[in-house]
Order: sequence, then C-alpha cells, then structure tokens
Amino acid sequence: DGGITQSPKYLFRKEGQNVTLSCEQNLNHDAMYWYRQDPGQGLRLIYYSQIVNDFQKGDIAEGYSVSREKKESFPLTVTSAQKNPTAFYLCATEDSRSSYNSPLHFGNGTRLTVT
Amino acid sequence: ELKVEQNPLFLSMQEGKNYTIYCNYSTTSDRLYWYRQDPGKSLESLFVLLSNGAVKQEGRLMASLDTKARLSTLHITAAVHDLSATYFCAVDIRGYQKVTFGTGTKLQVIP
Repeated sequence: DGGITQSPKYLFRKEGQNVTLSCEQNLNHDAMYWYRQDPGQGLRLIYYSQIVNDFQKGDIAEGYSVSREKKESFPLTVTSAQKNPTAFYLCATEDSRSSYNSPLHFGNGTRLTVT
Repeated sequence: ELKVEQNPLFLSMQEGKNYTIYCNYSTTSDRLYWYRQDPGKSLESLFVLLSNGAVKQEGRLMASLDTKARLSTLHITAAVHDLSATYFCAVDIRGYQKVTFGTGTKLQVIP
C-alpha cells in the first residue's frame, strides 16, 4: 500500500534537546518537502529535496537540518537553535517526473511539543 | 518573493447557501492547488489548475483560475456540514519546486 509515513505522531521534548522527525515514502517520488504549520496558520516551507544527496533551504530553514541519503527517506532534525519548535510538521512528496498535473502528497504529520 | 493571500480567513455559512473563497497570488505562477484540511489532520488534494480559464468541479466544489488577474476561486454550492474544514490554496513556479501556501480559509457550515 503506497504512501507517506511520518513518525511519531506525537513527540514531546525538553527545551535544548535535538529531535529528529521521520518521513518515509514508498511512492517512488523524487521530490520531498518539509512544512511547518502553526495553529490557525498556513504551511511554511522548511527544506525540500528534488533528488538523493541534494536539498535546498526553504523559507524558514534556520534551526533545522535534513538529509537525503535514500530516495525513500527525508528526516528532519529540529535543533536547539530553533527558537519556537512547537508546531505541526508535515512531510510531502511529489512525482516531479510525471504529469505536471500531479499534486503534493502529504503524510499525516508529527505534532511536536517542546517545553 | 511569491505571496499568496486568501480571503476570507474565516467563513461561517448556513447549509444550502453558496459562497466563494478567493486566492490571490503575487507573481506569475504555473500551477495552483486547492487543498482541504480537517482539524488535526493532514492535507487532502482537491484540485490542480494549470492554465488560464481552467475550471474543475468535484461535487459541491468548483475551482477556477484566472492567470491574468492572478486569482483563483473556490466556489461552494449548496453547502453541507461535511464541507466544514480549512481550505488552502497554494501556488508554485515551474523549475523552482517551492510550493507556497496561503493562510487558509476556515469554513464552518451550520445546519
């Protein structure tokens, strides 16, 4: 069953700790994205990757890091340098080689709470 | 920098009524998306619009695109409670792979 798996669904951390959010996909999509959503707001792009071993900063990359060692995986690390890490994090993929008519596909998200 | 604005931000409407959500964007775009998000859930794709004058319909929802005006609309016909959700538009530019989202319109349909 093809899809995007984000884990864990809920994550609690103490301030000052780094934390890694997992995103795995078996859709064979080339492009992967991380977005952050704050309550009552839209999505803001953190990082994106179009191919393995390559990724670019989005609009709010400070305090975050990513890696893309495999096509299927795009983990996001929220570092202690991120001032307000509590948010809902969404991973998305896109089949960038197919029809330009294809949308982004989203995982179910990870809700991170830092206290 | 590409900016995407939606209005209204919040919409409360009675069942059976019609209404339109507007999405304006600041620069030429190649694709416009509409997504739906239920509370605490992920985003579900509704429509992808590619060309000027494009119109797509699914059930009580119809989306259109005017690239010259940099405007897309999401029209709701005879609203039902099940349509209560937050609706986002998003745009991107070919080659940039940076999809930019609007702030969303929270729709509440009252029985």
